[in-house]
Amino acid sequence: AQTVTQSQPEMSVQEAETVTLSCTYDTSESDYYLFWYKQPPSRQMILVIRQEAYKQQNATENRFSVNFQKAAKSFSLKISDSQLGDAAMYFCAYRSADDMRFGAGTRLTVKP
Amino acid sequence: NAGVTQTPKFQVLKTGQSMTLQCAQDMNHEYMSWYRQDPGMGLRLIHYSVGAGITDQGEVPNGYNVSRSTTEDFPLRLLSAAPSQTSVYFCASRDRGLVSNGYTFGSGTRLTVV
Repeated sequence: AQTVTQSQPEMSVQEAETVTLSCTYDTSESDYYLFWYKQPPSRQMILVIRQEAYKQQNATENRFSVNFQKAAKSFSLKISDSQLGDAAMYFCAYRSADDMRFGAGTRLTVKP
Repeated sequence: NAGVTQTPKFQVLKTGQSMTLQCAQDMNHEYMSWYRQDPGMGLRLIHYSVGAGITDQGEVPNGYNVSRSTTEDFPLRLLSAAPSQTSVYFCASRDRGLVSNGYTFGSGTRLTVV
């Protein structure tokens, strides 16, 4: 079964600075999708960004971008110009044909 | 458009009681899943379904049953509640055709078993 590892239980960033959240995964599949979800205190799961494994180009959504290293099975999230509203739990997720597996999460604190 | 609706939002059960967590989606999504979220462990897959009449086990299926009689509904049944099932439960769905999509999540059910 696929496993997803987030090695940083907590991270902190100063407002307006940049922070990178790490994620690695283990799989024998060649076709899959990777996601970052944000979970604010409201508990709602919000999709931040997605990456198709067959695409070499790293995905970007406004201030959020990923560094996808397929051979290394690494999928990190970079948040630029951090804002107070970025404070949340962030989950990395791996999606194969039928289901999705999540990492343990990283709690991001943004300091004013 | 309601999306994924979970009920109830909060529930307290006594050990040994049974109950059903309801999940309904109005997006005609074929794929539906149940996850539990525990501190330090992320979201773990309990059961999932790829269409009406088809279900399969995820990582942590013990103590839970599911059925999928319609596309819209995917209830999760706790057969005999145990304190270890205290958790936040999420239902999620996605369209089979949009393969690059992640899941749309419900707002969660916080369950406490005493």
